[in-house]
Amino acid sequence: NAGVTQTPKFQVLKTGQSMTLQCAQDMNHEYMSWYRQDPGMGLRLIHYSVGAGITDQGEVPNGYNVSRSTTEDFPLRLLSAAPSQTSVYFCASSYSGGIETQYFGPGTRLLVL
Amino acid sequence: QQPVQSPQAVILREGEDAVINCSSSKALYSVHWYRQKHGEAPVFLMILLKGGEQKGHDKISASFNEKKQQSSLYLTASQLSYSGTYFCGTDSAGAGSYQLTFGKGTKLSVIP
Repeated sequence: NAGVTQTPKFQVLKTGQSMTLQCAQDMNHEYMSWYRQDPGMGLRLIHYSVGAGITDQGEVPNGYNVSRSTTEDFPLRLLSAAPSQTSVYFCASSYSGGIETQYFGPGTRLLVL
Repeated sequence: QQPVQSPQAVILREGEDAVINCSSSKALYSVHWYRQKHGEAPVFLMILLKGGEQKGHDKISASFNEKKQQSSLYLTASQLSYSGTYFCGTDSAGAGSYQLTFGKGTKLSVIP
């Protein structure tokens, strides 16, 4: 099993550009989520999904869109990048959310100029 | 609301013990502990559930005080490999909840 994979590992964007961060898992997990991690702030939930076709907002959803067309994939879209979105982005998955272990991907480091 | 972790940072010599605390202003259903090494993804350590059930690590222990909405992570006889940042994640909604709120982390450094 590859576990949770994320691409790209590193990306530089200019303000106003859009891009999609990819996340995939091969563990047949129903629950997937996106976090951003900023220095001294811990992990903050952006969006999550409890299954294909179902998504919901987390703590910091503004400026991001998600969709879940398959169990395996959960892409995160930045609509119009801003310097405040410079961060490390982690995707995570678990069997059912809630009290289950979350498995994190390796992260995508994003720099918005 | 983000749980509060203490201390923010701690330095230990190999073999020493440490306690990391996590407290919330909300009633908690479960507390999750993760460790993250520099430049890597967080890795699961332990889940503590309301009612006392624990799931997780065999070399690290933890407690969950439901009345005080607090959890403590106990690292005994620390090893160099314990170095990293420890995060607690709290769940206030219970079964069917899908949102963990993480603290800002406690940086643990173990030196020879």
